[in-house]
Amino acid sequence: NAGVTQTPKFQVLKTGQSMTLQCAQDMNHEYMSWYRQDPGMGLRLIHYSVGAGITDQGEVPNGYNVSRSTTEDFPLRLLSAAPSQTSVYFCASTWGGTQYFGPGTRLLVL
Amino acid sequence: KNEVEQSPQNLTAQEGEFITINCSYSVGISALHWLQQHPGGGIVSLFMLSSGKKKHGRLIATINIQEKHSSLHITASHPRDSAVYICAVPGPYSGGSNYKLTFGKGTLLTVNP
Repeated sequence: NAGVTQTPKFQVLKTGQSMTLQCAQDMNHEYMSWYRQDPGMGLRLIHYSVGAGITDQGEVPNGYNVSRSTTEDFPLRLLSAAPSQTSVYFCASTWGGTQYFGPGTRLLVL
Repeated sequence: KNEVEQSPQNLTAQEGEFITINCSYSVGISALHWLQQHPGGGIVSLFMLSSGKKKHGRLIATINIQEKHSSLHITASHPRDSAVYICAVPGPYSGGSNYKLTFGKGTLLTVNP
């Protein structure tokens, strides 16, 4: 199993650009989530999904959209990038309470 | 909101030392999680515990539900244990679910040879 994969590893955007961070898992986990990690702060939940077709907001959802058309994929869309969205983004799936994290995407918004 | 406080923020130890990292939270919970973030950034779940103690190799996690406190111990520490250790608990509006977590800021552990 590849586990949780994320692409790209690193991305530079200009303010106002849009992009999609990809996340996929091959463990058939129903629950998936997106977090951002900023210096001096703990991981913060952006959006989560409890299964295909079902998504909901987390702690910091503004500026981000998600969809879950399949169990495997959970992409995160930045609608109009802002410098405040410079961060490291982690996707995770959960099974039995254990979180399985992807390797992260480092995003720089200029 | 469930506040999660970890101490210390930074910890430097010599190889072989016994390490303790502490985590306190403000609201009663169903379970608490410990995670490890490697220097390269990858995050791995270490433990989920709701009572007592769990052990995996040289790592031991304990929790006192009444005192809202958990500790992560590392015995016979080694340079490869150098990482950020993160505590997490069910977040607000989670209904105690282990899916929506609130994370501490982490403890940076450096073990010198």
